[in-house]
Amino acid sequence: KAGVTQTPRYLIKTRGQQVTLSCSPISGHRSVSWYQQTPGQGLQFLFEYFSETQRNKGNFPGRFSGRQFSNSRSEMNVSTLELGDSALYLCASSPGPLYQETQYFGPGTRLLVL
Amino acid sequence: QQQVKQSPQSLIVQKGGIPIINCAYENTAFDYFPWYQQFPGKGPALLIAIRPDVSEKKEGRFTISFNKSAKQFSLHIMDSQPGDSATYFCAARENAGNMLTFGGGTRLMVKP
Repeated sequence: KAGVTQTPRYLIKTRGQQVTLSCSPISGHRSVSWYQQTPGQGLQFLFEYFSETQRNKGNFPGRFSGRQFSNSRSEMNVSTLELGDSALYLCASSPGPLYQETQYFGPGTRLLVL
Repeated sequence: QQQVKQSPQSLIVQKGGIPIINCAYENTAFDYFPWYQQFPGKGPALLIAIRPDVSEKKEGRFTISFNKSAKQFSLHIMDSQPGDSATYFCAARENAGNMLTFGGGTRLMVKP
């Protein structure tokens, strides 16, 4: 099976712009979670989707949003970009929403905000 | 508020040594504790995970020790190899959801 794929892998934006990142989960996986990784804050949970519904949301401002499509693919959007949004954005998929199921991470999208 | 505290931040050992990475948590609702390994340019990959009803779990050269009363758990890497050089993250998850809370990470270097 192919792993979690994320596009694009690298992205450069300027302050005030918006960005959309895409995640395709492992085939058959229906739960997708997003995380932000920065040197200062480490790995932080953004949100989780299952069956096109957001189930959990981390402590991030409303500029961060996401959605999931019927084929389980997910996108996250960041509007009005700030310098501090520069980070590696990771997507993880699991078969379902049950807590005991392993999450598999993609390689991430590295976003640089200038 | 950092709910999972990980130490040390960095660690250097010789090949064959046994690096030990420690994590402590506060939230008693956590009941699933995975460890992830991350190489530069890659996403984290699950190494091994434990539930609090078990005090120790081994998978290959990786062992988790868990102390529920102290709310601490640790990762031991037996017979470490240069290829184990990576950043290691402990994490915890509540039984109510699929959200992982990560420790700050430990950068391990295994010298040949």
